[in-house]
Amino acid sequence: GQSLEQPSEVTAVEGAIVQINCTYQTSGFYGLSWYQQHDGGAPTFLSYNALDGLEETGRFSSFLSRSDSYGYLLLQELQMKDSASYFCAVRGAAAGNKLTFGGGTRVLVKP
Amino acid sequence: GAVVSQHPSWVICKSGTSVKIECRSLDFQATTMFWYRQFPKQSLMLMATSNEGSKATYEQGVEKDKFLINHASLTLSTLTVTSAHPEDSSFYICSAITGANSPLHFGNGTRLTVT
Repeated sequence: GQSLEQPSEVTAVEGAIVQINCTYQTSGFYGLSWYQQHDGGAPTFLSYNALDGLEETGRFSSFLSRSDSYGYLLLQELQMKDSASYFCAVRGAAAGNKLTFGGGTRVLVKP
Repeated sequence: GAVVSQHPSWVICKSGTSVKIECRSLDFQATTMFWYRQFPKQSLMLMATSNEGSKATYEQGVEKDKFLINHASLTLSTLTVTSAHPEDSSFYICSAITGANSPLHFGNGTRLTVT
């Protein structure tokens, strides 16, 4: 099967940088995705890494190391609106197109 | 692009009744849609994979007779919670993909409360 581990909670102040790590186990790795979910809302797609390296999208960046089965999401210049839960998710060949989510990391941004 | 519309956004029903949730892909054709369930402060758990024109594939532990999924067209999948009970109260979210390796595009979710 597929499994992912990520920290449950992170607290930081506005303007800071937060790194959310994610380790995964899967067979026939396709890619690692990151989603953001605000309380009461649905998840929204943030980024996707299929190959090793860093993908940058504005203040958010995502990194992948396939040899280490590890990735991270980097949130820079934190803003209050970034307070949300962040999920890493993996898709593997053994599971077809199914996406398995990690437990989520709740990020709390303080003034 | 890639907009997924889910309806209703919330519903309250009495125990024993059935509730239907609709998921539509508005600007693309979705041969595959996924139904997730999320309890408070927990992650998203895949319930089933809905394939247009064929039977849904349910995850282990999900009762197919209780959670009826119909994917009658390339733009519509429905989830019917039959004989709902309070423990079925949850946030149900549908999602769709535009291609084999595309990201999931989520609907806004349906908050179901069974009294």
